[in-house]
Formats: sequence, C-alpha cells, structure tokens
Amino acid sequence: GAVVSQHPSRVICKSGTSVKIECRSLDFQATTMFWYRQFPKQSLMLMATSNEGSKATYEQGVEKDKFLINHASLTLSTLTVTSAHPEDSSFYICSARSGRGRETEAFFGQGTRLTVV
Amino acid sequence: AQSVTQPDIHITVSEGASLELRCNYSYGATPYLFWYVQSPGQGLQLLLKYFSGDTLVQGIKGFEAEFKRSQSSFNLRKPSVHWSDAAEYFCAVQRGSQGNLIFGKGTKLSVKP
Repeated sequence: GAVVSQHPSRVICKSGTSVKIECRSLDFQATTMFWYRQFPKQSLMLMATSNEGSKATYEQGVEKDKFLINHASLTLSTLTVTSAHPEDSSFYICSARSGRGRETEAFFGQGTRLTVV
Repeated sequence: AQSVTQPDIHITVSEGASLELRCNYSYGATPYLFWYVQSPGQGLQLLLKYFSGDTLVQGIKGFEAEFKRSQSSFNLRKPSVHWSDAAEYFCAVQRGSQGNLIFGKGTKLSVKP
C-alpha cells in the first residue's frame, strides 16, 4: 500500500507554546488529508478534512483557530496546535487519499503523541 | 446518523483459540467497511476492507470478516490466535465519498498463553 509519513512521532511541549505536526504522502499525491485525534483508551475522532489548495473543513466542536491545518501541496499537510494546553495532550493521526472516488482508500500515518506539560 | 458499535471493550482468548470481534454499523446506503489494528502507541494498520462483491473478505495475518447486510454487521474472525495478535482492533465505516472514517470505540484483545 501507499506510505504516509507523520512527523514527529512524539513531542513534549510547554503549555502556551505551539507545535507543528507534518503529514506527508511519500509515493502518491494526496488530494485529501484527514486529521484525527485519539484520547487515551478512546476511539479516533475526525478533527478536520483538508483538500489541497483550499481551506480545511473542521468538525463541529473543533476550534479552527487552535488547530491550524495547512495543505499547501499534494504531498504535505500540517497541523499546528497553537497555544497548547495540557488538555490538548493526545494522539494525533493523519490519513491521506489520492482521489475522491468512493473506493479510494485512505492511508494512515504512524501518529504523533503530543504531551503538553 | 452514521455510527459503528463494537460491543466488546475487552476480550481475552487463549493462544490457539478462535476469535470473533463484533462490529455493527448504522449507515443509510451501502457501507464501505474496514477493520484496523493498532498496537500500543502506534498508528493504524489495515487488516481488511469491504467495498462490494463477496461478503466474506480475506485480510492480512489470517483474518477474515463477513459482511451481513441483514444484521448490519461486519464481524472479524481468526481461526487461531497468536500472542502477537494482542492489540486494539477498530471497525470503521467510510462516510460517503468524502472518504473519512467513522470508528467504533475499539476492542482490546488480550491473548493468554
């Protein structure tokens, strides 16, 4: 299958600082990327959907000014957690798909464990 | 509303025993269904998927799943579990053509020697 690389895999930051997470599709062009969040012992919840070259669509309850998503190229999307607080500590996972047809599979990155202290 | 239910939070089976993880979905149209496995602190690995056709789907690592429309189910099975299968398993349904997935809460599988 296609490869999606997410970086960093782990990050610890101080409360009030910002953290950027990168999601790259290594061997295909990702027209759509998704960002999910997973709290401990919980399921994955979609945060936002981003299409290359356009603004991200955020799910209800997700603060777009806090979780900045940029999808400037067909192989890279970034999630920036601004002014992070301990409650933002979570596991963030991206996924990417190359087309928009319903049978186009999305591939997942390895995830980023964010700890805000 | 679209949803996925995994009734079992935690299952323990003996190594070599058979396994069935349950998954029920709620979706208005023909569902696209997935099973993923997640080891602690890791991302998701796709085990298998159902889009159409044969309702019995074969996946990696000896797993299979059967789509039963009448029961709105997509249960995951494995005839003989290995200790390395211990992990968290997630069932998911794709949300239309947008492509994002709606996940169940997951089932943690423990394997005892």
